[in-house]
Amino acid sequence: GAGVSQTPSNKVTEKGKYVELRCDPISGHTALYWYRQSLGQGPEFLIYFQGTGAADDSGLPNDRFFAVRPEGSVSTLKIQRTERGDSAVYLCASSLTGGQAYEQYFGPGTRLTVT
Amino acid sequence: GDSVTQMEGPVTLSEEAFLTINCTYTATGYPSLFWYVQYPGEGLQLLLKATKADDKGSNKGFEATYRKETTSFHLEKGSVQVSDSAVYFCALWDSGGSNYKLTFGKGTLLTVNP
Repeated sequence: GAGVSQTPSNKVTEKGKYVELRCDPISGHTALYWYRQSLGQGPEFLIYFQGTGAADDSGLPNDRFFAVRPEGSVSTLKIQRTERGDSAVYLCASSLTGGQAYEQYFGPGTRLTVT
Repeated sequence: GDSVTQMEGPVTLSEEAFLTINCTYTATGYPSLFWYVQYPGEGLQLLLKATKADDKGSNKGFEATYRKETTSFHLEKGSVQVSDSAVYFCALWDSGGSNYKLTFGKGTLLTVNP
């Protein structure tokens, strides 16, 4: 079956612009996660959704970052007033439901470059 | 807070060599431990996991044993292949607290030469 998909695969934007990154989880997965992977680092947790609600947004670095999942499926990560330090690969993962017993399946990521 | 430390790369081996990638962790609760692999051009994939002390996770010839006394989860393979060339990430999921995040190490790049 289809895995987690993310669009776009690459995004180049200018400093100060607004960007949206999209994640399509595996069908039927109620849990969805966003991670950010900077060059030479492992993925860092941003936010976790269970259904439509953000159950844990403790990893969002500041209020320029926001994510939604209005119908409990597709999620959009939104970044306002982008900064060069936001350049990274943004990973989305989904799992059947939340909890450590359920494997997280990762998408290929969106590479964001802020110039 | 939780953290994962894995050995610095890159690691370069010849085919059929023995592989060890060290991983140690700190956690506030009783974590589950994972190794993820990222092949060139692909997304992260779960390689193996262990959920309690002395458990051994294994897959595709790779093994790792959950050692609570040394807070370690070292990845090993007896005979690597060129196709094992990838970036390997050690990660933990801490059952203490209410969050559901994976905490990752920085990753170790493995290159296997024929």
